[in-house]
Amino acid sequence: QVQLVQSGAEVKKPGASVKVSCKTSGYTFIDYNIHWMRQAPGQGLEWMGRINPSNGDTRYAENFQGRVTMTRDTSISTAFMEVSGLRSADTAVYYCARDLRRWLQYVFDYWGQGTLVTVSS
Amino acid sequence: EIVLAQSPGTLSLSPGERATLSCRASQSVRNNYLAWYQQKPGQAPRLLIYGASSRATGIPDRFSGSGSGADFTLAISRLEPEDFAVYYCQQYATSPTFGPGTKVEIK
Repeated sequence: QVQLVQSGAEVKKPGASVKVSCKTSGYTFIDYNIHWMRQAPGQGLEWMGRINPSNGDTRYAENFQGRVTMTRDTSISTAFMEVSGLRSADTAVYYCARDLRRWLQYVFDYWGQGTLVTVSS
Repeated sequence: EIVLAQSPGTLSLSPGERATLSCRASQSVRNNYLAWYQQKPGQAPRLLIYGASSRATGIPDRFSGSGSGADFTLAISRLEPEDFAVYYCQQYATSPTFGPGTKVEIK
């Protein structure tokens, strides 16, 4: 069965960086784009960007350009998302999710369990 | 950016009742590229509907989606206890955006 398992909760100081991992299993990793979303406490969902694991191609939401980097390691079927220059407004649960289709569709059918990132001095 | 508005903010219903949730876009959503997700506290969202009306794998047929253009609806024909949750619509005609959510709570 398809599974996405994310790394554990992080506490960071303002200005620091955080890197979250998303280990996949149950399907061919390079066949489906991986997307990243975040959800601030008590708030809605925000799409951050996506990576094509087959070639590393990325696309970032405008709000995150220059501050987010998505990478992947095909040898371990894992995607990574790094946010730099953290501020308190970045406190949120970060989710990875798989695209529904092998061709990019921006619909998210399997999700990781979420990683809480807390930014606090 | 396509902005999505959902109504009502909260829907108070009893098990067995019908729920009707609305999602309105700030402009027409090309090809009806509209999805619905369910989220329960402490859990990741779950895909229910994509393409405005196609049920995702394993989703019960009491969930149905409809609409076109800029107006979309998610209906739950008879609420089961496990259906009380927050529901989000999401458009993917342009850079993906989500609505603010509708909470379906037990009356």
